[in-house]
Amino acid sequence: DQQVKQNSPSLSVQEGRISILNCDYTNSMFDYFLWYKKYPAEGPTFLISISSIKDKNEDGRFTVFLNKSAKHLSLHIVPSQPGDSAVYFCAASEMNRDDKIIFGKGTRLHILP
Amino acid sequence: DADVTQTPRNRITKTGKRIMLECSQTKGHDRMYWYRQDPGLGLRLIYYSFDVKDINKGEISDGYSVSRQAQAKFSLSLESAIPNQTALYFCATSDVDRPTDTQYFGPGTRLTVL
Repeated sequence: DQQVKQNSPSLSVQEGRISILNCDYTNSMFDYFLWYKKYPAEGPTFLISISSIKDKNEDGRFTVFLNKSAKHLSLHIVPSQPGDSAVYFCAASEMNRDDKIIFGKGTRLHILP
Repeated sequence: DADVTQTPRNRITKTGKRIMLECSQTKGHDRMYWYRQDPGLGLRLIYYSFDVKDINKGEISDGYSVSRQAQAKFSLSLESAIPNQTALYFCATSDVDRPTDTQYFGPGTRLTVL
C-alpha cells in the first residue's frame, strides 16, 4: 500500500509560469516531508523540506505547502525555468521513529520554451 | 570529487550470477542506504545501516544482502541475480546529527540481468 502518492506521472509547464507538483500521503504519523529532484543519469538531490509544525517553507523560487488535515503537500516553482525539467520525488518520514524516508513514484516535469 | 560514489556505474550480467555493487562516501555520515528505482515505482528501500554494526531490512530485501565494511563503505550483493532485479540502484547517506533527515545520493548503478 502506497503511503506517499504522486498521482501525476508527468506535467508540462510553459517557461516563466508556475509549476505545481502535488503529493498525498496516508500515514498520519509522518512528521517530515521532503522534495527531491532527479536529472537523468544522476542520483536524486535534496530540494526542499518541511516539518509538520509548519504549513509553508520557502527557498528562492521553490515553496512547499503542507495541509495536514488533507494529508497533502505541494511544491510550487515560480518562475519555472528550463533547468527545472526533471523528475521530482515527494518523500516523507517519521523522524521520531526510524528516520526512514518513504518516496513517492515521482512526477516528470517538462518546462516548455 | 563526489561525496558518494558507486561502482560499477553500469553492469550487464546473466541470470544466476553473483553481483556486488559498492558504495563509498566521504561525507563522514553514519547512516547508509540502498534503494532501487524501477520505472513508475519510485525509489524503494532495500537495506539500511545506521552504523558499522547495524544492518536493517527495508521494504524489498528478498534476494539481496549487504555488508557494512566500514563507516564509509556499504556494499549490496545479489547472490543469484534474476531478471526482475534489473533496475537502477542508488546508495545514499545521511547524518544522524542533523535536525533534518536529508539523504545524499550517489549517481546510481544501472544493472541489467539477462
